Amino acid sequence: SQKIEQNSEALNIQEGKTATLTCNYTNYSPAYLQWYRQDPGRGPVFLLLIRENEKEKRKERLKVTFDTTLKQSLFHITASQPADSATYLCALDTGNTPLVFGKGTRLSVIA
Amino acid sequence: NAGVMQNPRHLVRRRGQEARLRCSPMKGHSHVYWYRQLPEEGLKFMVYLQKENIIDESGMPKERFSAEFPKEGPSILRIQQVVRGDSAAYFCASSPDRGPNEQYFGPGTRLTVT
Repeated sequence: SQKIEQNSEALNIQEGKTATLTCNYTNYSPAYLQWYRQDPGRGPVFLLLIRENEKEKRKERLKVTFDTTLKQSLFHITASQPADSATYLCALDTGNTPLVFGKGTRLSVIA
Repeated sequence: NAGVMQNPRHLVRRRGQEARLRCSPMKGHSHVYWYRQLPEEGLKFMVYLQKENIIDESGMPKERFSAEFPKEGPSILRIQQVVRGDSAAYFCASSPDRGPNEQYFGPGTRLTVT
């Protein structure tokens, strides 16, 4: 069966460290993978999109990798800040079907 | 440029009543998506519409749920004869076209069925 899993429900890290979030999938062939941030009581906000033929994408302190062999994407936040505390969602996009979202990882950055 | 707007933000309905959720996409966006989110669950796709057309409704229950996106006015998600299990946050998103584009989400409507 098709599955998309984000490594953990919650992740706590210290301010200044790098946060690494994992998104694994099975029985999908996504052409693209997207990452969103969601704060409590709000809608998700788009962060990054990476294509299947791209290994890595960066935006300011954010970095996303996409390994179609491992069927995995890693999402990194460097020099993390308390303001980065939120739930981060990965979403698979096959190009022909609706986005499929993971349940998210709740990140807490502790000062 | 105003973002995606949804109203109401909170809606309380008794079992058996109807719920109408509205979504105005971002200016220039003609593609609208509806999602449902339950506590501790991921976002679940419900329906994808383009102006006046339903493109994909594979995630929407066959009974009691319907959606439209008329030529003029907002997109509407309608739930008839609501039950307690319909209590959730409903999000609308829009994009300028189909394809690998980011989706812009509204703030959501929190539906509570009592």
